[in-house]
Amino acid sequence: EAGVAQSPRYKIIEKRQSVAFWCNPISGHATLYWYQQILGQGPKLLIQFQNNGVVDDSQLPKDRFSAERLKGVDSTLKIQPAKLEDSAVYLCASSRTANTEAFFGQGTRLTVV
Amino acid sequence: KNQVEQSPQSLIILEGKNCTLQCNYTVSPFSNLRWYKQDTGRGPVSLTIMTFSENTKSNGRYTATLDADTKQSSLHITASQLSDSASYICVVRGAGNMLTFGGGTRLMVKP
Repeated sequence: EAGVAQSPRYKIIEKRQSVAFWCNPISGHATLYWYQQILGQGPKLLIQFQNNGVVDDSQLPKDRFSAERLKGVDSTLKIQPAKLEDSAVYLCASSRTANTEAFFGQGTRLTVV
Repeated sequence: KNQVEQSPQSLIILEGKNCTLQCNYTVSPFSNLRWYKQDTGRGPVSLTIMTFSENTKSNGRYTATLDADTKQSSLHITASQLSDSASYICVVRGAGNMLTFGGGTRLMVKP
């Protein structure tokens, strides 16, 4: 079974630029999560989707972050404009249902300079 | 407020030695607790899951314990190997399937 795929693996941008990350979850997984992991800390949930609907986006900085999962499969996370403090690893995870094990992708490491 | 605190923040041990990582939580109500291993540059991978009724569960050289009364869990690694060098993250599932992550313990195993 293929795992959660994320791209790109690494991205370096200047502050105030825009960036987008892509996630392809495990086939059949209805729940998809985006996490932000700052170096040395545990992951922090940004947004959770159930199919193509948003379940929880309470910690998503909506003035600059947006995410979508239009067809209930792939998802994109966008930051516009980026700030220095957005430098982190962005992890995508998926699970078959909202209360089953979440499987993580390798993450996208974003550096904002 | 739901919180998960892990200790120590970092740990260095010699290959072959044992170690124990701690996780204290205030998540309520409690559904389950999972330990993840996160290698550098990779996403977290589940090691073990503990439910309310389970006290101990082993996965190879990893043994997790849970004390639901004191809201504490530990992860014991026996006969450490160089490949055990990673971050270990404690994650508690609470109400509404919300996951609360600990900050992780960074373990380095030296030869």
